[in-house]
Amino acid sequence: AQSVTQLDSQVPVFEEAPVELRCNYSSSVSVYLFWYVQYPNQGLQLLLKYLSGSTLVESINGFEAEFNKSQTSFHLRKPSVHISDTAEYFCAVTQKTSYDKVIFGPGTSLSVIP
Amino acid sequence: EAGVAQSPRYKIIEKRQSVAFWCNPISGHATLYWYQQILGQGPKLLIQFQNNGVVDDSQLPKDRFSAERLKGVDSTLKIQPAKLEDSAVYLCASSPRGPHTDTQYFGPGTRLTVL
Repeated sequence: AQSVTQLDSQVPVFEEAPVELRCNYSSSVSVYLFWYVQYPNQGLQLLLKYLSGSTLVESINGFEAEFNKSQTSFHLRKPSVHISDTAEYFCAVTQKTSYDKVIFGPGTSLSVIP
Repeated sequence: EAGVAQSPRYKIIEKRQSVAFWCNPISGHATLYWYQQILGQGPKLLIQFQNNGVVDDSQLPKDRFSAERLKGVDSTLKIQPAKLEDSAVYLCASSPRGPHTDTQYFGPGTRLTVL
């Protein structure tokens, strides 16, 4: 069965500094990968996803993630964070089969410090 | 477009009591999901409906949890009787079609505390 690891439970970073949120997965077959974000007092929403094609995917608010098959990773990066990026970030994986449930990681809490 | 609606937002009950949560997905979305999110963990799928049929309920504790989606629209999740370890946020999500590559749209969740 597949699984997702997010090693950093909390990441504090100063405003305008770069950030990387780490995500590693394990699976015996090919996968689809997602990052969801939960802003304070809001529901989870999709930030970006990798299904196929280019291994680098981008979101509309400046985040990007790169699928690295050899390292089984899908790290999320942003070159300069804003206060509004403070949120909980969840990495998720599902296997490329006819059907599979989406498995979420435990989440990383990003706190942007003014 | 209205989002996924859930009620109640908060619920406090004592162990062995029963509780029910309601979810109304985005209009026209075929697939509905119920997740359990325990503090410090990611959401865990309890049950997935495609229209009004069950696609996956492998992680639903069927001795105490039940869910239904009548007429393929809104859904109810019930716990009877509740245990202390059921304290969690219960999330409802919906997606337009059904493939697991679909974007899921989440509601605000119901925070359940079992005393």
